[in-house]
Amino acid sequence: AQSVSQHNHHVILSEAASLELGCNYSYGGTVNLFWYVQYPGQHLQLLLKYFSGDPLVKGIKGFEAEFIKSKFSFNLRKPSVQWSDTAEYFCAVRPNDMRFGAGTRLTVKP
Amino acid sequence: DTGVSQDPRHKITKRGQNVTFRCDPISEHNRLYWYRQTLGQGPEFLTYFQNEAQLEKSRLLSDRFSAERPKGSFSTLEIQRTEQGDSAMYLCASRGNNEQFFGPGTRLTVL
Repeated sequence: AQSVSQHNHHVILSEAASLELGCNYSYGGTVNLFWYVQYPGQHLQLLLKYFSGDPLVKGIKGFEAEFIKSKFSFNLRKPSVQWSDTAEYFCAVRPNDMRFGAGTRLTVKP
Repeated sequence: DTGVSQDPRHKITKRGQNVTFRCDPISEHNRLYWYRQTLGQGPEFLTYFQNEAQLEKSRLLSDRFSAERPKGSFSTLEIQRTEQGDSAMYLCASRGNNEQFFGPGTRLTVL
């Protein structure tokens, strides 16, 4: 079945550590790719998106993601996390309508 | 606040009752989406509208579920004869500039 896979369910890091959250998808053809964040008690917000062009996409709050077409991946990265990055992160792929991964909960310890 | 709004934010109902949720999208957005999110999962697509036309429905949307967007502005999602398995967060989003903007969701608990 076509799907979006996020490899880690829960990641715990200390402040200033580097972050990489994995996302793989199984849809063929042209897709649009997204990372959304949900801070505690808040609604989903867009971090970044990729449609075409430079496969390294920069988003808000120092996040970036790299689209690797051959690996069907769109991993999210941040060089140095902060306590305020504690949230749930969702990868989403849009072949036609939006398909979300199960999410990765990030806990950043101060 | 000019974002997507949803009402109510929380709904507790007894099994077998009908419930209706409302979503008010960002005013200039003509696409509106409904999703369902259960604990530990990402949002699952239910249906979407382009103006007042319902263009796609997921297999998740059983006969007990119906959605409308009569004037191409706000939308309602009705669940008839609720079941405990319907307990979830129901999210609405509207789309503009190739981005979906999400509302805060309606959390449904079916007892």
